[in-house]
Amino acid sequence: GNSVTQMEGPVTLSEEAFLTINCTYTATGYPSLFWYVQYPGEGLQLLLKATKADDKGSNKGFEATYRKETTSFHLEKGSVQVSDSAVYFCALTNQAGTALIFGKGTTLSVSS
Amino acid sequence: GAGVSQSPSNKVTEKGKDVELRCDPISGHTALYWYRQSLGQGLEFLIYFQGNSAPDKSGLPSDRFSAERTGGSVSTLTIQRTQQEDSAVYLCASSLDFPEQYFGPGTRLTVT
Repeated sequence: GNSVTQMEGPVTLSEEAFLTINCTYTATGYPSLFWYVQYPGEGLQLLLKATKADDKGSNKGFEATYRKETTSFHLEKGSVQVSDSAVYFCALTNQAGTALIFGKGTTLSVSS
Repeated sequence: GAGVSQSPSNKVTEKGKDVELRCDPISGHTALYWYRQSLGQGLEFLIYFQGNSAPDKSGLPSDRFSAERTGGSVSTLTIQRTQQEDSAVYLCASSLDFPEQYFGPGTRLTVT
């Protein structure tokens, strides 16, 4: 079945540093890909998504590009802020197209 | 509008007891999902309801777990004879247009 692997954290950065969180997947067919974010004390929120190869999802300064050739969907941000401190989850649709499969999450901690 | 709500927010129970967790989806959302978030394990799909169709129960870890959705709206996840390994955060999500899902704040279950 479909699966996703994301880099383990925690990731600790200084404010204004460049962020990359790696995510790779294995899948049958053409899944949609997602990044969700969970801020401290809050529920999961959709950060960005891409539904087909070469699509770039973007939101709040974060970007990720659906790379079919490398089966990757790495999350990037050019200049992180303290308020970006959260847990980030990479996800893709399951083979049946009925639910999402999530990675284990990567904790990002940004200090000023 | 109102988001997905879950109750209780925290539940502590003794091993062997039954528990019921409730989810109120966003009004009008036809699909409802339950996930489990265990420490260090990411999110695990449990069950999916879509309209009046038979639910997809493929993610339920054992026959101690069951869920129902009444009137196409509120859902209850029941865990019978709880075990310590059931301790986790149980997340509910609803969707009008899969795969975009909206998550509730979760119920933290602790089995002692």
